[in-house]
Amino acid sequence: KNEVEQSPQNLTAQEGEFITINCSYSVGISALHWLQQHPGGGIVSLFMLSSGKKKHGRLIATINIQEKHSSLHITASHPRDSAVYICAVGDSWGKLQFGAGTQVVVTP
Amino acid sequence: GAGVSQSPSNKVTEKGKDVELRCDPISGHTALYWYRQSLGQGLEFLIYFQGNSAPDKSGLPSDRFSAERTGGSVSTLTIQRTQQEDSAVYLCASSSLLAEQYFGPGTRLTVT
Repeated sequence: KNEVEQSPQNLTAQEGEFITINCSYSVGISALHWLQQHPGGGIVSLFMLSSGKKKHGRLIATINIQEKHSSLHITASHPRDSAVYICAVGDSWGKLQFGAGTQVVVTP
Repeated sequence: GAGVSQSPSNKVTEKGKDVELRCDPISGHTALYWYRQSLGQGLEFLIYFQGNSAPDKSGLPSDRFSAERTGGSVSTLTIQRTQQEDSAVYLCASSSLLAEQYFGPGTRLTVT
């Protein structure tokens, strides 16, 4: 069993819809990361958080350390948000352990 | 500013040959990580450098894999006697200590 579980695996939304991706983990962590990977593109760090909530533009990430759970929300989704979103947990060295990713498709 | 760069971007090699993959991290980043992304395994950690030392090599899949980092900067990942299962995208990331990681574009390795 993977120590970092993401759901859903795939998600299709219409433009403007609110999107939520969930991540649960079973190991101790120093921080949790949300990453974005566009088709054929590189990986970009969206958030690094160890408690509470962070917001960048239309993206919001939350983490509950006690429940070992994090969510990534995309408000007012847009076709350019179509990408794979990856949850990763970091240890005390910063080494990342990755979830399988969530493929998001936003249709116009 | 310059991000993380990797070379080559693509490498096709014959089974049994050795390959070297290079990573140039962001200047001043003390931490450097190698990961690989393959269809069957997703993203997985290979090795971590802090400065020139590698306190965590636990992800290297076999003794055919080795890596070094010199001058606290450039890192080279070497795969000896390549096998078909080594085919993957090899990613390098750098960061300040325990900060967000900046990923390079990757090297796509194909072993024929």
